[in-house]
Amino acid sequence: GNSVTQMEGPVTLSEEAFLTINCTYTATGYPSLFWYVQYPGEGLQLLLKATKADDKGSNKGFEATYRKETTSFHLEKGSVQVSDSAVYFCALSRSGTASKLTFGTGTRLQVTL
Amino acid sequence: EAGVTQFPSHSVIEKGQTVTLRCDPISGHDNLYWYRRVMGKEIKFLLHFVKESKQDESGMPNNRFLAERTGGTYSTLKVQPAELEDSGVYFCASSPLQSRNTEAFFGQGTRLTVV
Repeated sequence: GNSVTQMEGPVTLSEEAFLTINCTYTATGYPSLFWYVQYPGEGLQLLLKATKADDKGSNKGFEATYRKETTSFHLEKGSVQVSDSAVYFCALSRSGTASKLTFGTGTRLQVTL
Repeated sequence: EAGVTQFPSHSVIEKGQTVTLRCDPISGHDNLYWYRRVMGKEIKFLLHFVKESKQDESGMPNNRFLAERTGGTYSTLKVQPAELEDSGVYFCASSPLQSRNTEAFFGQGTRLTVV
């Protein structure tokens, strides 16, 4: 079946540091890949997505590239801010639709001044 | 436009009691999903409604869980009787009935604690 593995947290960085959160997946066919973020006290929000191999999703300075050869979708940001502190979830679905999502365990990011 | 609303935000109940969670999707969204995150683990799919019909309920843990969506609007998820392992955060999400590239919008979740 489908599964998503992401690096365990928490990840603690200083403001303006470079961020990478690793995510790899197992799936049949050609899934769509997502990063969701949950800020403190809020619900899950879609951060970015990619629907086919070599696509790059980007939003708010975050980027992730769909790498089929390594079955990965690592999240990166060049310079994090305190306001980026949140829990980040990697997820996949079987198609480009908002169908059933398979999530990773989430990675908590704490950014300090 | 209002987002996905879940009620209550927190619930603490004793083992053996009954709890009902409610989800109000975004108006006009025919797809409605329930998910659960237990003890800091991954968020797991529970079930999917299309309008009032259960499209996929493969993630429902056992028959103590009952989900309904009468009239295809809001949905309820009842746990009866609750057990300790049911504790977690229950998320609801909705999306329009479109064929491709449709984002699912999530609510804030209901944190359920069974003691």
